[in-house]
Amino acid sequence: SQQGEEDPQALSIQEGENATMNCSYKTSINNLQWYRQNSGRGLVHLILIRSNEREKHSGRLRVTLDTSKKSSSLLITASRAADTASYFCATDGMGSQGNLIFGKGTKLSVKP
Amino acid sequence: DTAVSQTPKYLVTQMGNDKSIKCEQNLGHDTMYWYKQDSKKFLKIMFSYNNKELIINETVPNRFSPKSPDKAHLNLHINSLELGDSAVYFCASSQDRDRGRGYGYTFGSGTRLTVV
Repeated sequence: SQQGEEDPQALSIQEGENATMNCSYKTSINNLQWYRQNSGRGLVHLILIRSNEREKHSGRLRVTLDTSKKSSSLLITASRAADTASYFCATDGMGSQGNLIFGKGTKLSVKP
Repeated sequence: DTAVSQTPKYLVTQMGNDKSIKCEQNLGHDTMYWYKQDSKKFLKIMFSYNNKELIINETVPNRFSPKSPDKAHLNLHINSLELGDSAVYFCASSQDRDRGRGYGYTFGSGTRLTVV
């Protein structure tokens, strides 16, 4: 069964604004990961947060994890047109035999 | 020096044909995967494989079969192609699946399969 659900499905912002995407999941996890997919390309790993971590930063990215609510958020600060892509959360669940289960993604459009 | 490479990038074929997609990784990773991405961008795990174990998603038809000649390769064979098999197929790899569980996947650029 699908693990992650991203929200919103689509997000359109102006360059310089912050973008926040949310992800909810259903079962206990070992870690949660965020990926970016540019149109027509493969997925690129952005950041991983373990189940015992609450917040993690990488450059302009900030990820939070709330295991009690089974949710995570990805914040992209000072967005750029080059950030336009689809963003997926993926969970390494305790029952998933080590395989990542992906959500449906948020399509982010950053307008110059 | 591509990390995970898939060939071909595009594949157009007729219903009923048998086709293969090749995947190679030069990262020294232990585990390789095949994912299917449908027209709504939903990614679904099909197989994962390391030198110890093949794990098959039970919803994958047995017309699909992975073949791993060595640790760096995991090819996908599809028999008797159907219209519903049209999708983008992604190969990926990661460090040891069982230990650490703290590694991201490295994805190939995908193979767009169109069955006509």
